[in-house]
Amino acid sequence: AQSVAQPEDQVNVAEGNPLTVKCTYSVSGNPYLFWYVQYPNRGLQFLLKYITGDNLVKGSYGFEAEFNKSQTSFHLKKPSALVSDSALYFCAVRGIFGSSNTGKLIFGQGTTLQVKP
Amino acid sequence: DTGVSQDPRHKITKRGQNVTFRCDPISEHNRLYWYRQTLGQGPEFLTYFQNEAQLEKSRLLSDRFSAERPKGSFSTLEIQRTEQGDSAMYLCASSSGQASGNTIYFGEGSWLTVV
Repeated sequence: AQSVAQPEDQVNVAEGNPLTVKCTYSVSGNPYLFWYVQYPNRGLQFLLKYITGDNLVKGSYGFEAEFNKSQTSFHLKKPSALVSDSALYFCAVRGIFGSSNTGKLIFGQGTTLQVKP
Repeated sequence: DTGVSQDPRHKITKRGQNVTFRCDPISEHNRLYWYRQTLGQGPEFLTYFQNEAQLEKSRLLSDRFSAERPKGSFSTLEIQRTEQGDSAMYLCASSSGQASGNTIYFGEGSWLTVV
């Protein structure tokens, strides 16, 4: 069974400092990993994804994520945090299409990022 | 690309009433997903359509829930005899093609409050 864990409920960081939001996954086979961001009372916005290739993936709004197969991790990072980055962040893994798999996303519990001025 | 559209955005209903949510996916996206999200939780998968065929249903989807996608375009999610535990945000999402690497795009969600 596929699963995603986000070990931190909340991450606090000062504006201008680097940020990391952690994600670990469990999946059989090659993982397809995604990060989404959710602002209050809004839907989920796609940030970035890892499918294959370079372990460092760049996405929207200056975010990037590093895929580490040996540690089964896919941590979200940003070199310099902005107050406007404050939001709820979700890591997700997607199953491979097949007879018993519809490619749905399985989400972690989410991590609230708080960037203070 | 107008994005995934959901209607209504907010619905307050009395316990026992029926509610219906509509989702218009991104044009030509053949895959459509419904998720439910409660406060402080990640989205939970409810059901999935490929074109008009409903190919997977979560056990979260009780008999009171039904989803349709009659022409393979828009979809509806109906909840009959609503209960307070149904209060949540219902998210619709869509994607194209067969590749698992294709991005799934979400709508803004429909908030349901059952009083």
